[in-house]
Order: sequence, then structure tokens, then C-alpha cells
Amino acid sequence: QSALTQPASVSGSPGQSITVSCTGTGSDIGSYNLVSWYQEHPGKAPKLIIYDVNKRPSGVSTRFSGSKSGNTASLTISGLLPEDEADYHCSSYTLSSTVVFGGGTRLTVL
Amino acid sequence: DVQLVESGGGLVQPGGSLRLSCVVSGFTFSGHWMHWVRRAPGRGLVWVSRVNGGGGSTHYADSVKGRFTISRDNAKNTLYLQMNSLRAEDTAIYYCARGTEYTYGGSALDYWGQGTPVTVSS
Repeated sequence: QSALTQPASVSGSPGQSITVSCTGTGSDIGSYNLVSWYQEHPGKAPKLIIYDVNKRPSGVSTRFSGSKSGNTASLTISGLLPEDEADYHCSSYTLSSTVVFGGGTRLTVL
Repeated sequence: DVQLVESGGGLVQPGGSLRLSCVVSGFTFSGHWMHWVRRAPGRGLVWVSRVNGGGGSTHYADSVKGRFTISRDNAKNTLYLQMNSLRAEDTAIYYCARGTEYTYGGSALDYWGQGTPVTVSS
């Protein structure tokens, strides 16, 4: 049950698009379309922004989108806003019927 | 409004035990998978365990299997995590979280509590 691999940090300017990668294995991301992404602001609870690879819960901005290729999932944020500055976490369901998270990525909006 | 409130954390010696509780409100508790997730100081989120709505199906991370037990009392709208044989590496903030109704096995978590801190130290 090794953690999924995410870059420690990414950055972008307002209005730009950024992509956060999340790499797993054939036992998790590669086996299911059950990848989720969470946005976490300091002192706040994580917020679900993407589930099942590319679906958005009600109320989540269309600027957030998800995709997957093989063992790697990606979160893309378009039209960056200052309030997008946060930590982003990916997770995946696994063949062991467990869930595994990534290490988290800090997004800085320059 | 959906609310999840954890309690039961504290300071415990290595080898000791603690029981965490998570009282929920604002939704039909028995209709959801529930999870425990933890975050060690300066580290990312780590999934710990999950239990189905009826309480009969449980799953654990390898790091806690055999030491931690997840359970629930649907009549009391409460989720539990019994933690035994605690180690220094179990030191973390423990969060309870609700699995969504619309993902397989409740694998996406749509509501989280604020967490309860557990420190394992002599």
C-alpha cells in the first residue's frame, strides 16, 4: 500500500492552467476509474472536487477537471484564481478494497 | 447540515490503547460507508480504515491491520476506531469522513470532521 506519487509543489499565474499528476500502480489507479481529488485550504477540512476520475460534485467549478491514463491520474485547474492556492490530494481505490492517498501537492498562485 | 465531530484523542504511551469516536448528524448515517484518515505532523493524508453502512464489512491499511478496529453504532450515529498496541508512528490527527453515496464502496469522501489529535509518546 505505497502512497500515490504527487509533485510536492506546482505554481502558476492567475488565468493560467496547471496540471497536478498522481502516479500509482496497476493495483490502484490502473485497475479502477475510482480516483478522487481533494482541495485543502489551511485550517479547513479537505473538499472533494473530483471523483471517479473526472466527475465533479455539485457546486464545484468547471475550472477543475480530471483525467487518467494508465497508472497516472491528473487534475487540471484552468483560469487560475488566487483562491485556488491550496493543497491538493489525490486518492484511489485499490485491488485490496482499501483506499490510498497521494502525498499532496502545494499549489502556489503567483 | 452535515456534521462530523471526532473525540477521544490524547496522549498515550507506546503499547497503549485509545478509542476514537465520531458523532455525525444531518444525514442517514446507516446509508454511508465511513472512513478514518490520519495525518502525521508535516505529512500528507493517510487512509486508515473504512466500514460499510451496516457495519459488517471492514477494511484496513496494512500499517494498522491487527491493531485497529473500526466499528459503528447506527442507533447512536457514531463511528469508532479502537486503537491498540499504539506506536510512535501512529501519532497523527485522526479524521473521520463520509463516503459518498455515488461512488463504488464509498471510495470518495465528501464530508470530513475537524480531527482529533493522537500522540503516542513515553
